Amino acid sequence: QVQLVESGGGVVQPGRSLRLSCAASGFTFSIYGMHWVRQAPGKGLEWVTTISYDGIHKDYADSVKGRFTISRDNSMNTLYLQMNSLRAEDTAVYYCAKKRNGTYLEPADYWGQGILVTVSS
Amino acid sequence: DIQMTQSPSSLSASVGDRVTITCRASQTISRYLNWYQQKPGKAPKLLIYAASTLQSGVPSRFSGSGSGTDFTLTISSLQPEDFATYYCHQSYSTPLTFGGGTKVEIK
Repeated sequence: QVQLVESGGGVVQPGRSLRLSCAASGFTFSIYGMHWVRQAPGKGLEWVTTISYDGIHKDYADSVKGRFTISRDNSMNTLYLQMNSLRAEDTAVYYCAKKRNGTYLEPADYWGQGILVTVSS
Repeated sequence: DIQMTQSPSSLSASVGDRVTITCRASQTISRYLNWYQQKPGKAPKLLIYAASTLQSGVPSRFSGSGSGTDFTLTISSLQPEDFATYYCHQSYSTPLTFGGGTKVEIK
């Protein structure tokens, strides 16, 4: 069965960096694009970034553009989110999610359990 | 950016009720509209994609309709496990955007 397991979250000071990882299993990771979506405490869902199956195509929300970088290692079945210059407003649960099929802007059909990132001094 | 507006933001309903949630896009998105269900402390679950296609394993009491800018999610007979928050989501263009959510509560 499809499993997505996020790691790397925690408490970080404003301006610092953090890297999230998402270990994928139960499907052929190298043929599916992936998303990161976040949810601030008590708020709705916010798309953060997406990457194509081969890592070539990427898109970002304006709120994170220039600060966050999505990447993947298909040999390790792992998705990453490098978060730099973190702000208080980046505090959220971060979900990695698998796209439903090979189309670039497909919705996510499987999600990880989420990992909390808290940006606070 | 495409804004997604859901209504209502919350509703109270009883088991067995028919429930309809609407979602309006700020510009046409063809049928690139998806619906998610989220329960507290859990990840979202894909219910419907491409406006009206039921995701595998989702009960048939859920249905979606619409195209262009106006969409609806209908639960034909609300069950206890359906009390949750529902989000619409457009996958027509980046930035991908979600509606603000509709919380379905027990009356």
